[in-house]
Amino acid sequence: ETGVTQSPTHLIKTRGQQVTLRCSSQSGHNTVSWYQQALGQGPQFIFQYYREEENGRGNFPPRFSGLQFPNYSSELNVNALELDDSALYLCASRPLAGTDNEQFFGPGTRLTVL
Amino acid sequence: GENVEQHPSTLSVQEGDSAVIKCTYSDSASNYFPWYKQELGKRPQLIIDIRSNVGEKKDQRIAVTLNKTAKHFSLHITETQPEDSAVYFCAAFTSGTYKYIFGTGTRLKVLA
Repeated sequence: ETGVTQSPTHLIKTRGQQVTLRCSSQSGHNTVSWYQQALGQGPQFIFQYYREEENGRGNFPPRFSGLQFPNYSSELNVNALELDDSALYLCASRPLAGTDNEQFFGPGTRLTVL
Repeated sequence: GENVEQHPSTLSVQEGDSAVIKCTYSDSASNYFPWYKQELGKRPQLIIDIRSNVGEKKDQRIAVTLNKTAKHFSLHITETQPEDSAVYFCAAFTSGTYKYIFGTGTRLKVLA
């Protein structure tokens, strides 16, 4: 297993609420990416953080936001939850932004929006 | 926008046969192409990757080929085993945008 951890494992929210998901990157990795994986689909890139700044973003609205901390751990925040936000949220870390190093995935947080 | 098309969506093979999964990417600047295996309820795990300056790479029963001109890459699994059953995803990474774009996945079933 990789050294990437995520919390919580599962989460149930209702429409309109806000949620924060957390990711601890593997030791030595300073780049964290977040993905949304709907059931039966491939992971969709949300954004990437490098040295505490967002430096890449997919096609997700501004209500998806994030943070990266000095220890390279990261948070994904989703405001005004919608039913379609129900998915597995994966984070992945790798050593350096802009290179093609292998990224290591965490176990994911399964979010259910009712 | 960038996208990666992956085919087939499901694939059933007899144990011992070969399996081939194909992907086509749209961003000509993509320069790294990993393949992931995802078992039910688990995280994606890298099984093989290829960089844009290489045409083919092999690791035991698994191989990947890349045709940059056609923007096409394929995963080949030989002598399939029941434990190869999983969902396989291809992805294309572009250094300039730091984005990994994933395919929609192939559910492989190896029948004993």
